[in-house]
Amino acid sequence: ETGVTQTPRHLVMGMTNKKSLKCEQHLGHNAMYWYKQSAKKPLELMFVYNFKEQTENNSVPSRFSPECPNSSHLFLHLHTLQPEDSALYLCASSRGSGTTGELFFGEGSRLTVL
Amino acid sequence: EDQVTQSPEALRLQEGESSSLNCSYTVSGLRGLFWYRQDPGKGPEFLFTLYSAGEEKEKERLKATLTKKESFLHITAPKPEDSATYLCAVNEDDKIIFGKGTRLHILP
Repeated sequence: ETGVTQTPRHLVMGMTNKKSLKCEQHLGHNAMYWYKQSAKKPLELMFVYNFKEQTENNSVPSRFSPECPNSSHLFLHLHTLQPEDSALYLCASSRGSGTTGELFFGEGSRLTVL
Repeated sequence: EDQVTQSPEALRLQEGESSSLNCSYTVSGLRGLFWYRQDPGKGPEFLFTLYSAGEEKEKERLKATLTKKESFLHITAPKPEDSATYLCAVNEDDKIIFGKGTRLHILP
């Protein structure tokens, strides 16, 4: 398997649920990212991890909790979300944080919060 | 104020009808401008990186150019398979900031 894979592709959850999004990259990259994509808005950077260390938290509410156990895996833990958090969550990787701007994206996890 | 502004929001062209998409930016200390293509239900796919004014990059029917304040993505004789959303992004202080994109639809 190659590239960046995200699971699940679709997720529906209630406001009191706890769920997690998973991302795995098979490219040997050192940086991983979470982006949020909502209709009519640009991609919003949420978190950046470089060599497993979080280097960016773009003022994201604490109901989103990232975890990066190694350079190949990235999780986004979700709890007590709001309906406005419904969006496409995209994971990406790159050789290094911000070095080339060439990000490799997964296909995204479509989240619906009821 | 948006740091990256793309225009038009949407564009419909006949097959073979060439046109250009615009990306203007207001970031200081630009450390790269990037173009991506996004198909429905997919993540963005990297196309080009431009670093300095006057630079140009080409790939098949696409050519990207850069000035000090904006970039253009020129599409020559497009085909229906070029239909997608084209995203522009800039590197400011190692953060990649995206525009809202231009939805391009090529009619056969």
